[in-house]
Amino acid sequence: DIQMTQSPSTLSSSVGDTVTITCRATESIGTWVAWYQHKPGNAPKLLIYKASNLESGVPARFSGSGSGPEFTLTISSLQPDDFATYYCQQYDSASRRYTFGQGTKVEIK
Amino acid sequence: QVQLQESGPGLVRPSETLSLTCTVSGSSIAGRYWSWIRLPPGQGLEWIGYVYYTGNTNLNPSLKSRVTMSVDTSKSQFSLRLTSVTAADTAIYFCARVGRGEANDYWGLGTLVTVSS
Repeated sequence: DIQMTQSPSTLSSSVGDTVTITCRATESIGTWVAWYQHKPGNAPKLLIYKASNLESGVPARFSGSGSGPEFTLTISSLQPDDFATYYCQQYDSASRRYTFGQGTKVEIK
Repeated sequence: QVQLQESGPGLVRPSETLSLTCTVSGSSIAGRYWSWIRLPPGQGLEWIGYVYYTGNTNLNPSLKSRVTMSVDTSKSQFSLRLTSVTAADTAIYFCARVGRGEANDYWGLGTLVTVSS
């Protein structure tokens, strides 16, 4: 099965910073990658689908890029509401299965 | 708007069966795939599997032998059964809808299931 290696596991940043999170797949997966934001007690929130498409209602400071095997999520001008854990997710169109990255906790410096 | 809500026991004894239901509102069950995903304490998200409205499923190979998923379109619900649970199955269980780009676009708030005697 395809694995996703997400880095870093923790990221300490300040309001206004630009942060980048990376996911690398063990095989080429086209652009079937999504990014989610999760805060404890809340439902995970879809930010980006198909590697670079911004989900409706998500602020434009979130952006995604890349194609198999490396993908990035960039948050420009970090806001207080952005401190959370972020996950990448890949969809393998051959097996029709999903895998999540290990998660990146973005915390206040 | 689309809403999903998980329901089921919060405590399950070891070796018994975990059963959860997800109730969907604001979206038809028909024509879509519906996911189950869990978050064990201190760990990351784990995909359990998905069920199509016809009842077809695709499951995580690591859990496949213990998982059953089903759909009740008349009640706008889909369900998860996980047999022979252990403490390692303690987690927040989420249900979600598969949308554009095969991403999970709507999620429930999740329900904590603890496996303990």
